[in-house]
Amino acid sequence: KNQVEQSPQSLIILEGKNCTLQCNYTVSPFSNLRWYKQDTGRGPVSLTIMTFSENTKSNGRYTATLDADTKQSSLHITASQLSDSASYICVVSAFTGNQFYFGTGTSLTVIP
Amino acid sequence: SQTIHQWPATLVQPVGSPLSLECTVEGTSNPNLYWYRQAAGRGLQLLFYSVGIGQISSEVPQNLSASRPQDRQFILSSKKLLLSDSGFYLCAWSKGQGRNYGYTFGSGTRLTIV
Repeated sequence: KNQVEQSPQSLIILEGKNCTLQCNYTVSPFSNLRWYKQDTGRGPVSLTIMTFSENTKSNGRYTATLDADTKQSSLHITASQLSDSASYICVVSAFTGNQFYFGTGTSLTVIP
Repeated sequence: SQTIHQWPATLVQPVGSPLSLECTVEGTSNPNLYWYRQAAGRGLQLLFYSVGIGQISSEVPQNLSASRPQDRQFILSSKKLLLSDSGFYLCAWSKGQGRNYGYTFGSGTRLTIV
C-alpha cells in the first residue's frame, strides 16, 4: 500500500534555531517527492521537488534530502524565523497512475 | 506564467443548501485538475480529478460532485450540504500526468456548514 508518513506531527522551536522534519514513504515505483509549506488558511506552496537521482536540494534556508534506498526524506530549516510557522507537507508521486500521495504534515511553530 | 484562481475564499452555508466552488487555471492548456478537502488537523484527501473536459474521476463517494465544463475550469458542487462537508477545500492543477511537472494549489476555500 502506498503511504507517506511524516514526523513529528508538531514541533515548537525558538526563533533562530534549526530543525529537521522527516518523511518516510512506501510509494512505488517512486517518481518524485515534493515538500510544501502551507500557511494557516492558505493553499500549499511548493518548496522543493526531488527525483530519484537527487540527494539534496536547497531553497534558501530550506534544504531537502532524499534517500531513495531507505525511502526517506528530510526537510532541514536553518536559522528559523517566525514566518516559518506553518504546516509542512510531504507529497510523493509514482510513475504509474495519476495519483499523488500526501503525508498528514508537520505543524511547525516558531516562537520568539 | 500559469496561475490558478479559486473562489470564494470563505463561505458559510446552512445545512441542506447547495454549493458551488469554482477553480480556473490560466496560462496553460489541458491541465489535470484536482479537488482536495482538508479537515482540521488532517491531511489532504483527494475528492475528484479530471484529465480533460467532461472527464471526472471520483475518489471518495459522498454528496459532492465535480464538473469540468471548460478546459481550464473545474467546479465542485453539492445539491444539499451536510455538516460533515465543513472543511478547507483546495483546487490544484498539474500538466500532463503530473509526475514530472509542477503541481500547484489554489489558495483554498474555507467552508463552514451551520
